Amino acid sequence: AQTVTQSQPEMSVQEAETVTLSCTYDTSENNYYLFWYKQPPSRQMILVIRQEAYKQQNATENRFSVNFQKAAKSFSLKISDSQLGDTAMYFCAFIPMDSNYQLIWGAGTKLIIKP
Amino acid sequence: GAGVSQTPSNKVTEKGKYVELRCDPISGHTALYWYRQSLGQGPEFLIYFQGTGAADDSGLPNDRFFAVRPEGSVSTLKIQRTERGDSAVYLCASSELAGVKFFGPGTRLTVL
Repeated sequence: AQTVTQSQPEMSVQEAETVTLSCTYDTSENNYYLFWYKQPPSRQMILVIRQEAYKQQNATENRFSVNFQKAAKSFSLKISDSQLGDTAMYFCAFIPMDSNYQLIWGAGTKLIIKP
Repeated sequence: GAGVSQTPSNKVTEKGKYVELRCDPISGHTALYWYRQSLGQGPEFLIYFQGTGAADDSGLPNDRFFAVRPEGSVSTLKIQRTERGDSAVYLCASSELAGVKFFGPGTRLTVL
């Protein structure tokens, strides 16, 4: 079975600090995509960052970066210089590369940025 | 519009009633997905359309749930004889490329 585990139900940090959200997954696939989605109180699920498993280089999008460890099946998200607008639920998700639809989701981490 | 839109934003209904939830995908996206999200959980897959046809409806919980996409664009999720357990946020997403899904804001359904 393919699963995604987010072991931190909730985290809170002060504005401007750096925070790391953990995600581990289990799969027998060799080629797949990994994602971090952000869901603020508005409910809109927003793609934060995407990683292709065949790429060794960690993906980066401005203040957001990942630490992808394929052998360990770990895919953590680092948010630098956190901002109040980063407060949201963060979901880690996985999809096999030969599938167009079966996103496997973690349970989410609630991140609170305190002023 | 530039993004996926869903209407209504909120729907309150009584147990046993019929509801329809609408999704307008991003123009040109051939794939459309419905998910259900309960409080504190990740989205649960319901159904996937490729064009007008349901390529995979294995996530629909029972035969009270049905979805259509007659012209390959707008989709409607239909729930008959609603139950309190159907209360959730129903998310729609569309995509052009594999795995890159763009989500709508969801419809919060409350069954009293």
